[in-house]
Amino acid sequence: AQSVTQLDSQVPVFEEAPVELRCNYSSSVSVYLFWYVQYPNQGLQLLLKYLSGSTLVKGINGFEAEFNKSQTSFHLRKPSVHISDTAEYFCAVSDGKSTFGDGTTLTVKP
Amino acid sequence: DGGITQSPKYLFRKEGQNVTLSCEQNLNHDAMYWYRQDPGQGLRLIYYSQIVNDFQKGDIAEGYSVSREKKESFPLTVTSAQKNPTAFYLCASSWLGYNEQFFGPGTRLTVL
Repeated sequence: AQSVTQLDSQVPVFEEAPVELRCNYSSSVSVYLFWYVQYPNQGLQLLLKYLSGSTLVKGINGFEAEFNKSQTSFHLRKPSVHISDTAEYFCAVSDGKSTFGDGTTLTVKP
Repeated sequence: DGGITQSPKYLFRKEGQNVTLSCEQNLNHDAMYWYRQDPGQGLRLIYYSQIVNDFQKGDIAEGYSVSREKKESFPLTVTSAQKNPTAFYLCASSWLGYNEQFFGPGTRLTVL
């Protein structure tokens, strides 16, 4: 069975500061990894995905994530956040069936 | 425009009533999913379908039912057997084997 742990339930940060949202996963097989963003009362949108190849993945809105197989992690980073990045972020792992983490609430303060 | 739609956006139900949530996609995806989201929690899988006329239970299927008569449509019925149905319901779709999921805007169900 696969599982996903998002290590921080809430991350407050000031505008223009860097941010890292942490995600660890476990799986017995090769997986695909995803980060999604959810704005209030909306569905999820894909930020970025790791399928294979380069371990550094770039996504939309200036986000990037690094796949670390030895540490089974897929942390999300952004060098400078904006107020508009305030949202819920979900890490997901898939081996054909997706499992989502519990989410991290990112709050960007002015 | 290709996408996935859910209706209604808000739904109110009296205790003891069944209600059906609509989900339609025109992305030609084979797989469709229903998730439940409660405040401060992640997504919990209710049902999923990988092919027309076939579907499987997810982690919290009790009190819910689905059908998949058409590739484009995957309605969810919340029955009176679901004891705590107030939640945000999300429908998603994807291609088989490549599991990036595309989500609808969600339906917020409130039991009065």
